[in-house]
Amino acid sequence: GENVEQHPSTLSVQEGDSAVIKCTYSDSASNYFPWYKQELGKRPQLIIDIRSNVGEKKDQRIAVTLNKTAKHFSLHITETQPEDSAVYFCAASGAAGGTSYGKLTFGQGTILTVHP
Amino acid sequence: DGGITQSPKYLFRKEGQNVTLSCEQNLNHDAMYWYRQDPGQGLRLIYYSQIVNDFQKGDIAEGYSVSREKKESFPLTVTSAQKNPTAFYLCASSTSPWSPLHFGNGTRLTVT
Repeated sequence: GENVEQHPSTLSVQEGDSAVIKCTYSDSASNYFPWYKQELGKRPQLIIDIRSNVGEKKDQRIAVTLNKTAKHFSLHITETQPEDSAVYFCAASGAAGGTSYGKLTFGQGTILTVHP
Repeated sequence: DGGITQSPKYLFRKEGQNVTLSCEQNLNHDAMYWYRQDPGQGLRLIYYSQIVNDFQKGDIAEGYSVSREKKESFPLTVTSAQKNPTAFYLCASSTSPWSPLHFGNGTRLTVT
């Protein structure tokens, strides 16, 4: 089955700096890669996602890149703000016919702290 | 709130008792999921269902059971066979395996 590894487990940056979180996946058939943000005491919420036919996607200060050959994808947050502080999770979902079909497997999470 | 409701928010049980966590969605989503969240371990998949009357084991299904008799409902039973049941449980739904998940607010289960 799918295995998703996420690094780093904690990340501390100064306001205005950039933050990068990286994930690797094991199932080459995976074709959907979302990122979720979970604020303290709240439910996870989707912030951006990317499909395997796209190499990069941007949404304002957030971007995700995907390298299918290397089986890794990354979240980039620019001009970080204190309200970006949260736990971020990457995930991977398998294609139809693959061993991970229908499953969304999450990474272990990254605690991002943005200092004012 | 948000179309997917988990109840109760907090649940306390004695060791050896089975307990059922409720998850209801009114989003007309086909797919539903149960995740367990423990500190430092992310979200681990317990069971998932792509369609009514069908479900599959996730990565940590031992000691848990589910049913999917109705599209909008996907209850999770934590049995006495689950060795470490105290955790935060999240239910989610989506239109397909490649669509965003909508999460409930979660149920925090404490077993003593």
